[in-house]
Amino acid sequence: SQQGEEDPQALSIQEGENATMNCSYKTSINNLQWYRQNSGRGLVHLILIRSNEREKHSGRLRVTLDTSKKSSSLLITASRAADTASYFCATVHTGANSKLTFGKGITLSVRP
Amino acid sequence: DGGITQSPKYLFRKEGQNVTLSCEQNLNHDAMYWYRQDPGQGLRLIYYSQIVNDFQKGDIAEGYSVSREKKESFPLTVTSAQKNPTAFYLCASSIMGGAGAETQYFGPGTRLLVL
Repeated sequence: SQQGEEDPQALSIQEGENATMNCSYKTSINNLQWYRQNSGRGLVHLILIRSNEREKHSGRLRVTLDTSKKSSSLLITASRAADTASYFCATVHTGANSKLTFGKGITLSVRP
Repeated sequence: DGGITQSPKYLFRKEGQNVTLSCEQNLNHDAMYWYRQDPGQGLRLIYYSQIVNDFQKGDIAEGYSVSREKKESFPLTVTSAQKNPTAFYLCASSIMGGAGAETQYFGPGTRLLVL
């Protein structure tokens, strides 16, 4: 299976703390994306990092990619209660014609 | 208001019944996708279409069918052959080619329950 694996499965932090979520994958990729899902809702795209990039920022989000280790991390700084959601990494594998392969997701709870 | 709409929000299926989930987009996207999400699981691809009148099977197409007669619409039929249809179904779309082609935009989802 090409499915990515996120770690940890669940994360609970206090508001204001940073949240770090990790994703590993098995085969070479064109790009890796992070999506967010609020309970019972659709997914929202957060950030995309290409295989030739190492780090990207978007507001309070920082994503890194290490292709030698086949892993990525998503850092949310100064977390807020509104960041409570499930976060998924999704990969576009080489030759996969833009199809996304999703991991099982990480449940983030931010306590006020 | 641009976006993707899915209807209904909840759908109940009886044994042996076919049901159709609607997905409409006004983003002028060429590609559309259907995913299934089970509790505690990621999304699994059912079918996708990159152009009108053409579609391909995803990883779990058995028991499902689709059509793509219009660019804006990509309905999914859950047939009686799908023995475990209870799940959350998500539709998505994306542009084809060029910058931003890899990003998918999702609808709000349809929850299918079996009576």
